[in-house]
Amino acid sequence: GAVVSQHPSRVICKSGTSVKIECRSLDFQATTMFWYRQFPKQSLMLMATSNEGSKATYEQGVEKDKFLINHASLTLSTLTVTSAHPEDSSFYICSARDFGNTEAFFGQGTRLTVV
Amino acid sequence: AQSVTQLDSQVPVFEEAPVELRCNYSSSVSVYLFWYVQYPNQGLQLLLKYLSGSTLVESINGFEAEFNKSQTSFHLRKPSVHISDTAEYFCAVSASLSYNTDKLIFGTGTRLQVFP
Repeated sequence: GAVVSQHPSRVICKSGTSVKIECRSLDFQATTMFWYRQFPKQSLMLMATSNEGSKATYEQGVEKDKFLINHASLTLSTLTVTSAHPEDSSFYICSARDFGNTEAFFGQGTRLTVV
Repeated sequence: AQSVTQLDSQVPVFEEAPVELRCNYSSSVSVYLFWYVQYPNQGLQLLLKYLSGSTLVESINGFEAEFNKSQTSFHLRKPSVHISDTAEYFCAVSASLSYNTDKLIFGTGTRLQVFP
């Protein structure tokens, strides 16, 4: 199956700094990418949907100025957590889908810890 | 809008016993249905999916799920579980009308714990 690579797998940062998470589709062109957040022992909550070359569509309650999403190419999307705080600590997962494909492929996830 | 309900947050079972993980969905349009498995600190892996056609779908590792439109269910079953099946299982739904933009809506997950 298709491969989605997410980097880094773990990151620890100081409160107030920004962190960038990358999501790459390695063997297909991802016209649409999704970013999820998962709290411990909970389900995945969709944060935003991004289509290549256009602005991301954020879900209700997600701060677009805090969680910056860029989908500049068909193989790369980035999520930047700006001015991170301890409450932003979570597991972030991306998924990618190419046009006409019903299956979304998931990255390995990024464990963000803000101290 | 679509929604997914997984009634069981945890399902403990002994090895080699059968198991059923329940999933019910709500939607006003036709849907695609999915089961994903998540191992600790990892992303999600697709286990099986229903798009159309036969209502019984199977995975390569012995799981199966049956789409029941009248009961709006997509329960996951396995006749004999292994220790290695211990993981979190998520049921998900997406509207089938828009391939490249429609998002997955996930249930809250069921923790399958297999004991020796």
